[in-house]
Amino acid sequence: QKEVEQDPGPLSVPEGAIVSLNCTYSNSAFQYFMWYRQYSRKGPELLMYTYSSGNKEDGRFTAQVDKSSKYISLFIRDSQPSDSATYLCAMSPSGGYNKLIFGAGTRLAVHP
Amino acid sequence: GAVVSQHPSWVICKSGTSVKIECRSLDFQATTMFWYRQFPKQSLMLMATSNEGSKATYEQGVEKDKFLINHASLTLSTLTVTSAHPEDSSFYICSAPDSLGNTIYFGEGSWLTVV
Repeated sequence: QKEVEQDPGPLSVPEGAIVSLNCTYSNSAFQYFMWYRQYSRKGPELLMYTYSSGNKEDGRFTAQVDKSSKYISLFIRDSQPSDSATYLCAMSPSGGYNKLIFGAGTRLAVHP
Repeated sequence: GAVVSQHPSWVICKSGTSVKIECRSLDFQATTMFWYRQFPKQSLMLMATSNEGSKATYEQGVEKDKFLINHASLTLSTLTVTSAHPEDSSFYICSAPDSLGNTIYFGEGSWLTVV
């Protein structure tokens, strides 16, 4: 079993839909949780990061962490074709100075 | 926000030659940087952790003599692919934690093609 599980998709939604992306993990030591967006042939772009459990909102993006269930989510409201990309969850037990453990990435396609 | 820059964005080299990729933190100091490799439609694979002023820490299975890492200053780490072969062709990405260590920012990546 991988430390971080993420459905690779692809996930296809119509423009304006609410998108839910999820990851589960097995290591209860993880405290820092991040979501990255990666466009084709580009480096990952940090979208959100959260520490421990709870919610965090930034514009159309909301990140949720449920440590009791070892489950994290990223919601995208009013999805746009420009949101079409691969979304990677990543986590670490002690922040950015330690290596991140990545999920496989979910490919999202938002069609007009 | 923090910015990490890589150079070159893409490079083509002949088999047997060496190629150097630079990773710079532009507006913050990074005592630690990470080097990843990514194959098409796959997730990132950590190659090594670069530490300023000391030797890099390589992940299991990564040849340290082939992938030379030098963290020369608090804002620059370099990855040199020595005696490159076509199977080394890949997307190489560096990253660095922000000044608080809360998260990690990635460079734009470097495409290496060995012919």
